[in-house]
Amino acid sequence: AQRVTQPEKLLSVFKGAPVELKCNYSYSGSPELFWYVQYSRQRLQLLLRHISRESIKGFTADLNKGETSFHLKKPFAQEEDSAMYYCALRGNTDKLIFGTGTRLQVFP
Amino acid sequence: SAVISQKPSRDICQRGTSLTIQCQVDSQVTMMFWYRQQPGQSLTLIATANQGSEATYESGFVIDKFPISRPNLTFSTLTVSNMSPEDSSIYLCSVRTGGNQPQHFGDGTRLSIL
Repeated sequence: AQRVTQPEKLLSVFKGAPVELKCNYSYSGSPELFWYVQYSRQRLQLLLRHISRESIKGFTADLNKGETSFHLKKPFAQEEDSAMYYCALRGNTDKLIFGTGTRLQVFP
Repeated sequence: SAVISQKPSRDICQRGTSLTIQCQVDSQVTMMFWYRQQPGQSLTLIATANQGSEATYESGFVIDKFPISRPNLTFSTLTVSNMSPEDSSIYLCSVRTGGNQPQHFGDGTRLSIL
């Protein structure tokens, strides 16, 4: 079965601290993984996808097929990073499977 | 990416009534989808809106409860029928412009049923 697990509902850090939002997936083939972000009172928007291999707003995520993980990382958190983050998987169909989300709080 | 307009942005409805949500895109897109996000939960795909044919529903969702139309490549509607308080959710439209593109989401419709 296809599944995305985000074990942390809430992650709180201070500004300047490193951040890692965990995402593990279950899928038998080669999935495509995404991170979406929802800032307060804004729409859900794509942050990054694993095939792009790029850094967006200082965030990076590497697909680890051995550990079936796609953790989102940023070396120095900023207050404006406070938001809800969703990991999502797309398999061999167009369907997106979302994790339950992690709320990141960055304190000044 | 495509500009997605979803209407209404929110509504409060009486149980037993129906509401139709519209999703308009500023360019032609290959795929349109409807998701539900119940309070405190993640997004769940309701169905894929197919242009010119019946929508493809996910397990647990049926056409009688969530009829969907997609008359062209830029517009779709989702109707929530015979509403009950359990239907109180955010309903989101998303699109893929084609090929290997990711999905992009509208602002959502926050629906409350009394």
